[in-house]
Amino acid sequence: QLQLQESGPGLVRPSETLSLICTVSGGSINSSTYYWGWIRQPPGKGLEWIGTIYYSGSTYSNPSLKSRVTMSMDTSKNQVSLNLRSVTAADTAIHYCVRYSIMEGVLNYWGQGTLVTVSS
Amino acid sequence: DIQMTQSPSSLSASVGDRVTITCQASEDIRNYLNWYQQKPGQAPKLLIYHASNLETRVPSRFSGSGSGTDFSFTISSLQPEDVATYYCQQYHNLPPTLTFGGGTKVELK
Repeated sequence: QLQLQESGPGLVRPSETLSLICTVSGGSINSSTYYWGWIRQPPGKGLEWIGTIYYSGSTYSNPSLKSRVTMSMDTSKNQVSLNLRSVTAADTAIHYCVRYSIMEGVLNYWGQGTLVTVSS
Repeated sequence: DIQMTQSPSSLSASVGDRVTITCQASEDIRNYLNWYQQKPGQAPKLLIYHASNLETRVPSRFSGSGSGTDFSFTISSLQPEDVATYYCQQYHNLPPTLTFGGGTKVELK
């Protein structure tokens, strides 16, 4: 059974970089069939797509965040990572790691989510 | 960018009621439309994929329909355990972008 687990600091200071890791178990991230993505949800609000990475290393980001987002993969550790630069309080959110097929875009695997608070 | 307009933003209904949520895309997305249920403190859970296909082990009181720009999601007989927020999500594959509707919070009357 595929499992995704997000990890990283729960508190980040304004203007610094938010860094998260998604560790995948029960399947390889080195697959041409799937994308690995990040979704965030500010407390009490809706879902927002942050970005997506493919096994080739290609990345795609939400235009509203694109200039601040970097994603990468470590196939030796079966991990996907997210960096979001120059954070503000508006970046406070639960962050989810997801997997979806490149053909269908169905998000059928989600991590449990991790809350990152931006505060001094 | 494709925008998804979901309505209503919240609703209150009684047990046994039929509940319908709509989602409208800003351009034709064929049937690349999925529906998720999110309960407090949990990650979203896939209910319906490709507009009308019921995910495995999801109760048959949930259904979806539509194509192109207009979609709907229905709970045929609302149950207490269905209290949750529901989201639609579209997928565009070139480039691979995702957009969510604003969500519909379903409560019991």
